[in-house]
Parts: sequence; structure tokens; C-alpha cells
Amino acid sequence: EAGVAQSPRYKIIEKRQSVAFWCNPISGHATLYWYQQILGQGPKLLIQFQNNGVVDDSQLPKDRFSAERLKGVDSTLKIQPAKLEDSAVYLCASSLDRGPETQYFGPGTRLLVL
Amino acid sequence: AQSVTQLDSQVPVFEEAPVELRCNYSSSVSVYLFWYVQYPNQGLQLLLKYLSGSTLVKGINGFEAEFNKSQTSFHLRKPSVHISDTAEYFCAVSRMDSSYKLIFGSGTRLLVRP
Repeated sequence: EAGVAQSPRYKIIEKRQSVAFWCNPISGHATLYWYQQILGQGPKLLIQFQNNGVVDDSQLPKDRFSAERLKGVDSTLKIQPAKLEDSAVYLCASSLDRGPETQYFGPGTRLLVL
Repeated sequence: AQSVTQLDSQVPVFEEAPVELRCNYSSSVSVYLFWYVQYPNQGLQLLLKYLSGSTLVKGINGFEAEFNKSQTSFHLRKPSVHISDTAEYFCAVSRMDSSYKLIFGSGTRLLVRP
């Protein structure tokens, strides 16, 4: 069974530029998550989708971050414009459904904002 | 609100020695409890989870954890570690309601020495 795929794996941009990350969850998984993991910290949930609807985006900085999951499968996370403090690893995860289901994580995208 | 505390940022241990990684949580509602492991340059992988029932939970790779409600703890243990156990370990909680959002601790780096 294929795992959660993410691209790119690494990205370096300058502040005020825009960047987009892509995630393809495990086939059949209804729930998709985007996390931000700053160096030395645990992952922090940015947004959670159930199929193509948003369940929780309370910690998403909506003035610069946006995410979509069209057709309820793959998803993109965008930052525009980027700030220095956005340097982090962005992790995508998926689970079969909502609830205390096991979340399966992708390898992450490491973003460096200069 | 929920919070997770992992007091030890790094735990060095010799190969074949026992290890305990500590996790304490705070929550006004009942929670589910999880331990995830993150190997270098990889995504997080579930080690074990407590949903209900027996307070002693066994997971993969010989790890186990015990839920202690009175002490609000969920410590992770392994009787004999291997070099390959060197990784970052994250404790997490999620609410037992419609939210199910995972809240992670800051992580403990387990460093196994020969």
C-alpha cells in the first residue's frame, strides 16, 4: 500500500515570495491534515479536511496561508507572502476517517525562508 | 484546552539498557493518548495508542506505555533498547469528542549509544 506522498521535499525561498506544497493521501482516506513542525517543537495542526470540507482551521494564519482539497483527494497548502518565521517542516497526514484513527504521515516538506 | 508536556528533551542511554520516556498531559475532558516516533528525515509513525480498556498498552518494536489517570501520565517504556531506536518520540492527546484534534508534545530525542 502506498503511503502519503508529498512534494517538494525541500524548498528555499526569499521572504515575501509565495510557495505551494502538494499532498496525496493514502487511497480511501477521508480525513487529511496539514501540520507545521518548527525546529525543536512538536507538530501543530494547521488545517483538517473531511473529504473536501474543512473541519478545523483555527490555527491557520488565514492572512497568508490557504489550503484546498478539491475532489476530496489530494491537497495543496499555499503560503503567500512567506515570512522568516514560516521556516519549518510541513507535514501532511491522512486517516481513514475522523475519530481516534491512526494518522499516517508523509515525509514532509522542509521550507527555508531567507 | 489540552496540553502535553515532555519534560526530557533528550534521553541518552546505552544499548540493551531499559528506557522510560515521560509524558504528562492536561485536559478538562477525557482524551485519547498516542505515542509517535520520527526517524531522521522521515514522517511520524504511530507506536501505540490508548483508547480505552487496559491501561497497559503494547505497541510496535517492543514499546509499551501505561495510562495513569490520577497522575495524568502516559509514560513510554522499553526493557532493552537497540541502536535503531535512536529517534524523536512524540506524545500526543486528542479530545474524546467531535474535535479529535491531535495536540503534540515538544518531543524527546532518544539517543542510544553502543
